[in-house]
Amino acid sequence: GAVVSQHPSWVICKSGTSVKIECRSLDFQATTMFWYRQFPKQSLMLMATSNEGSKATYEQGVEKDKFLINHASLTLSTLTVTSAHPEDSSFYICSARDWDSRLGAFFGQGTRLTVV
Amino acid sequence: GEDVEQSLFLSVREGDSSVINCTYTDSSSTYLYWYKQEPGAGLQLLTYIFSNMDMKQDQRLTVLLNKKDKHLSLRIADTQTGDSAIYFCAESMGDSASKIIFGSGTRLSIRP
Repeated sequence: GAVVSQHPSWVICKSGTSVKIECRSLDFQATTMFWYRQFPKQSLMLMATSNEGSKATYEQGVEKDKFLINHASLTLSTLTVTSAHPEDSSFYICSARDWDSRLGAFFGQGTRLTVV
Repeated sequence: GEDVEQSLFLSVREGDSSVINCTYTDSSSTYLYWYKQEPGAGLQLLTYIFSNMDMKQDQRLTVLLNKKDKHLSLRIADTQTGDSAIYFCAESMGDSASKIIFGSGTRLSIRP
């Protein structure tokens, strides 16, 4: 099946710094990628839909200036958490959809962000 | 609006069947999915069902869809310790650009 690679798997950063997370579709082209944030009690919250070559579509309540998304190519989307604070600590997961929409989306392995 | 709901926990004995239930609100959903998440990992697609189907079986997995009641279930036969994980129900429209909406996940634990 299709593979989505997310990097890094975990990162610890100081409060006030920025962190970039990469999401790559390794063996397919993904015009659309999605960024989710998973909270400690399991729920998966959709943050934004990343479209190649255009601006991302953010869900209500997600700060677009805080969570910068860039989808510069058909295989790469990046999420940058700017001026990170401890409350941004979370598990961030990206996913990408292949052309076969029956298959839903393929997920990266997630990035555990800890802001200290 | 879009909403997908699941119970948070399920505990079953090894060898028994597990049934995880899900309800959704968007009647225009085209595909419904079950994903599995193991600790510290991303989500793995287990199976999907098209909205005009009632049932789909894939080895130990059986998916039942009641479109009238907007109810989806996943049955895992002969549950094994390796099935311990969080299971997410999800819905989506048909095209590849549509977002996928997830339920809160059901944590399945297996008793010996």
